[in-house]
Amino acid sequence: QQPVQSPQAVILREGEDAVINCSSSKALYSVHWYRQKHGEAPVFLMILLKGGEQKGHEKISASFNEKKQQSSLYLTASQLSYSGTYFCGTERNTGFQKLVFGTGTRLLVSP
Amino acid sequence: NAGVTQTPKFQVLKTGQSMTLQCAQDMNHEYMSWYRQDPGMGLRLIHYSVGAGITDQGEVPNGYNVSRSTTEDFPLRLLSAAPSQTSVYFCASSTASEAFFGQGTRLTVV
Repeated sequence: QQPVQSPQAVILREGEDAVINCSSSKALYSVHWYRQKHGEAPVFLMILLKGGEQKGHEKISASFNEKKQQSSLYLTASQLSYSGTYFCGTERNTGFQKLVFGTGTRLLVSP
Repeated sequence: NAGVTQTPKFQVLKTGQSMTLQCAQDMNHEYMSWYRQDPGMGLRLIHYSVGAGITDQGEVPNGYNVSRSTTEDFPLRLLSAAPSQTSVYFCASSTASEAFFGQGTRLTVV
């Protein structure tokens, strides 16, 4: 079952923060986050595993709440290069990269 | 290091025609997948493979076949193209944690 992402779209000014949420009705093994720029392939950001710690590098981090089956992606002090569509992909129990993706959150960062 | 190479980049087919989308990776990954991306639908898994000789169905396998005779190659075959198969197709090659996507094939079925 497809995870639900919210919001569907976000418009930010450079330097502002954003949170993107990904929720599943099923128990999850892992949550994966990808960013896709227009006309390009998705690019991996990070993976969160059941029982794992919050991940992050520089100004992009994420958390995974196992009780709620929800993951959140945190973008702080946004840069123009953060613009794109963010997808979460979920795995229930395989670890074989059999991902079910959400419909995406479009993020636009303006100067 | 080429990563994941998909060919062709663009293709127009007539309804009923068959064709094969090619995907090759040079990272020696065991896991490979095919996704289709439609507006507002995100990425949907068509077929995936956990190693040479092993394939399985994803969410939307109908109308597509795959095989994995080598670690490097994972072709996707459209048996009899339909307008509903108009989409952008992405091949991915993966470790246990990270997927690397090809640049995509934009397919139009008329």
